[in-house]
Amino acid sequence: NAGVTQTPKFQVLKTGQSMTLQCAQDMNHEYMSWYRQDPGMGLRLIHYSVGAGITDQGEVPNGYNVSRSTTEDFPLRLLSAAPSQTSVYFCASRPGQLGYTFGSGTRLTVV
Amino acid sequence: DQQVKQNSPSLSVQEGRISILNCDYTNSMFDYFLWYKKYPAEGPTFLISISSIKDKNEDGRFTVFLNKSAKHLSLHIVPSQPGDSAVYFCAASTSGTYKYIFGTGTRLKVLA
Repeated sequence: NAGVTQTPKFQVLKTGQSMTLQCAQDMNHEYMSWYRQDPGMGLRLIHYSVGAGITDQGEVPNGYNVSRSTTEDFPLRLLSAAPSQTSVYFCASRPGQLGYTFGSGTRLTVV
Repeated sequence: DQQVKQNSPSLSVQEGRISILNCDYTNSMFDYFLWYKKYPAEGPTFLISISSIKDKNEDGRFTVFLNKSAKHLSLHIVPSQPGDSAVYFCAASTSGTYKYIFGTGTRLKVLA
């Protein structure tokens, strides 16, 4: 049982480039979310999903897109990377109103 | 607007003593609260939770207290161990909104 798998673990992008952060879970959890962690800011919610085909915005959605075509996968897309998007990104999933299981994170640097 | 606040960025405690981590919230609609622990280069791991219908929940060395009138919760770790050294995040949610809002975290250091 792998839990929540995030790829890649590290990424360096140039300003204006696009990329997709991958997230997959094998626990058949309904709810999935993307958070970013920045120094002094804690974990901030970017986008979340309550099931396949259903997504919604969190606290800091600008510059990011998501889709949820299957229960297992919840990719996060950066359409045009900016230095302000340098951060550590965490994907998480949970079954109903219980605690999230987090992935190990993707450290993204935009130069 | 920070709805969930952890005003102490760091805390140091001697091994064997009690660690108390605090969290305040502003949204009175929050009715479910959680604590997470995070080690460097790892994702946060779920520690303990409490519903607003309770004022206390225990799990081994960890106890969470909720004071709804003060919009305050705290995590007590007794006794503290060096392995407890990590960043602790509190989180809150409202039934039906599906969103968990996290605080900024408190770095706990347990001294041997």
